[in-house]
Amino acid sequence: EVQLVESGGDLVQPGGSLRLSCSASGFIFRNYAMSWLRQAPGKGLEWVSAMSVGGGSIDYADPVKGRFTISRDNSKNTLYLQMNSLRAEDTALYYCATDISGRFRDWGQGTLVIV
Amino acid sequence: DIQMTQSPPTLSASVGDRVTITCRASQSISSWLAWYQQKPGKAPKLLIYKTSSLESGVPSRFSGSGSGTEFTLTISSLQPDDFATYYCQQYISYSSYSFGQGTKLEIK
Repeated sequence: EVQLVESGGDLVQPGGSLRLSCSASGFIFRNYAMSWLRQAPGKGLEWVSAMSVGGGSIDYADPVKGRFTISRDNSKNTLYLQMNSLRAEDTALYYCATDISGRFRDWGQGTLVIV
Repeated sequence: DIQMTQSPPTLSASVGDRVTITCRASQSISSWLAWYQQKPGKAPKLLIYKTSSLESGVPSRFSGSGSGTEFTLTISSLQPDDFATYYCQQYISYSSYSFGQGTKLEIK
């Protein structure tokens, strides 16, 4: 069974930093592109960042470019999101998901970031 | 950026009804459209991808159609478990993915 478990969310002051983690199990993590998405309280879904299988292709949504960094450690089956210079508008539930050519098939339960 | 617009924002229906949700893209996305279902406090669930392909395990009462800029999600006979919020998502452009604002399907 595919499992994605996010962690690292917290209450942080504006300008602060957080690192989110997404631990994967039940599938061959290194064979999948991965994405981070977020959902502000009571709002819709927003894609945040994507990383290809080998990590060679990375991109970010405009609102987070230059502040967030996605990475992965295939030896630990873990995806990360380093979030710097946090703003109030970054407050959201952050999800990691398997990225199947742009559609998001498997999702974690999310981790809450409050700025 | 491609904007996705769903209608209606809220839909009231009864068990057994046939319902349709519309999603319009601000420019052509060919068939690169997915639909998700989200229940309160839960992560979204992929229902349909590439406009009309049903994700494994999704009941056949869900179907999708369309192309270019206009798409629909149809539920042929609403079941109690279907009351949720539905989102469309375009994925024609790598890493410029965008979602509709959601349609909340409520019990009438």
